[in-house]
Amino acid sequence: QVQLKETGPGLVQPTQTLSITCTVSGFSLTSYYMQWVRQTPGKGLEWMGFIRSGGSTEYNSEFKSRLSISRDTSKNQVFLKMNSLKTEDTGVYYCAREDRVGAPYFDYWGQGVMVTVSS
Amino acid sequence: DIVLTQSPATLSVTPGESVSLSCRASQGISTSIHWYQQKSNESPRLLIKYASQSISGIPSRFSGSGSGTDFTLSINRVESEDFSVYYCQQSYSLPLTFGSGTKLEIK
Repeated sequence: QVQLKETGPGLVQPTQTLSITCTVSGFSLTSYYMQWVRQTPGKGLEWMGFIRSGGSTEYNSEFKSRLSISRDTSKNQVFLKMNSLKTEDTGVYYCAREDRVGAPYFDYWGQGVMVTVSS
Repeated sequence: DIVLTQSPATLSVTPGESVSLSCRASQGISTSIHWYQQKSNESPRLLIKYASQSISGIPSRFSGSGSGTDFTLSINRVESEDFSVYYCQQSYSLPLTFGSGTKLEIK
């Protein structure tokens, strides 16, 4: 069955870089777009960006200058990297699968990883 | 960016009542709206896609309607497991955006 699982550091210091891995099973990354969404106390649910089935990416301009999404299809993993972290980046980070190409809503979500930005 | 305004922020109901939750878009978005349920400490779950299309495995008491700027999620005869937060999300244009949510609580 379809499963997504995020793994990440939990605690990150301000100005440092956040790295989160989303490991998927039950489907191929070359057939689906993969999305990143975060949930923060200040802004609620925010779409961050996605990586297409072909490997190209699209980002929310709110994060564009400091966000990078990539993948390793051989390992069934999608990666999020965001630099210059601030305390307001504290929240839960989710990877999610787009239902089908060209239909940007999310049919499967990971359980999320809580990230705290603090010194 | 398209802003989604959900109302009310909190809705207090008795189990067995039927309810309607509103989501209003800042510009016309056809039927490109999707609804999610999020229970405490869980990930969001897709309930309705494209304003009114049902999702496999979701109880039939959940339904959606609307087009353009005004959308409604209806729950027919709320059950105890339905008390949670509901979000709408638009896919009409990037950036994808979410509403701020409606919390359905027990009266």
